Amino acid sequence: NAGVTQTPKFRILKIGQSMTLQCTQDMNHNYMYWYRQDPGMGLKLIYYSVGAGITDKGEVPNGYNVSRSTTEDFPLRLELAAPSQTSVYFCASEAGVDTQYFGPGTRLTVL
Amino acid sequence: EDKVVQSPLSLVVHEGDTVTLNCSYEVTNFRSLLWYKQEKKAPTFLFMLTSSGIEKKSGRLSSILDKKELFSILNITATQTGDSAVYLCAPFMGGTSYGKLTFGQGTILTVHP
Repeated sequence: NAGVTQTPKFRILKIGQSMTLQCTQDMNHNYMYWYRQDPGMGLKLIYYSVGAGITDKGEVPNGYNVSRSTTEDFPLRLELAAPSQTSVYFCASEAGVDTQYFGPGTRLTVL
Repeated sequence: EDKVVQSPLSLVVHEGDTVTLNCSYEVTNFRSLLWYKQEKKAPTFLFMLTSSGIEKKSGRLSSILDKKELFSILNITATQTGDSAVYLCAPFMGGTSYGKLTFGQGTILTVHP
């Protein structure tokens, strides 16, 4: 039982490049989330999913896309990277009883 | 618009001191209030509060929720250097927004030996 795992841990992108941040959970949780955290700030919700095939926008969805083809995986796609997307990205899944557990994060820098 | 405000923004204390961290919120579809500790990595879960006036405790940490006044506090007694971290609070939404968390900006706690 690995919990919530994210890859990669670090990535540097050039402006305009694309990439996919991977998130996997092995706890059979239906609810999964993507957050970003800018330096000195709290976390902001990008997208979330209530189950396979169902996704919805959070607070800051622009510039991102998600898919949820399986219960385990919830990848986040950046199509045209911009410096404003430099941040730490956290994936989370709901453990039931209104709690969320977070993956270790991906630190992304866009230059 | 949903709003979560934490205070103070930062706090510096010495080991053994007691601290109180505040979290006030204005959100729709409130369901519960979560507290997290973040130490240069992913947030780790501390407490989930759903009922007013019922204190939850875990060792030297305790927390309470006031749903009438829309705030929560997190107390840490006999602080240790290992308590140095950012403490985040987040209302957990229900209804059509079920599962959404809106985070405050966090309180940076620094505990000196």
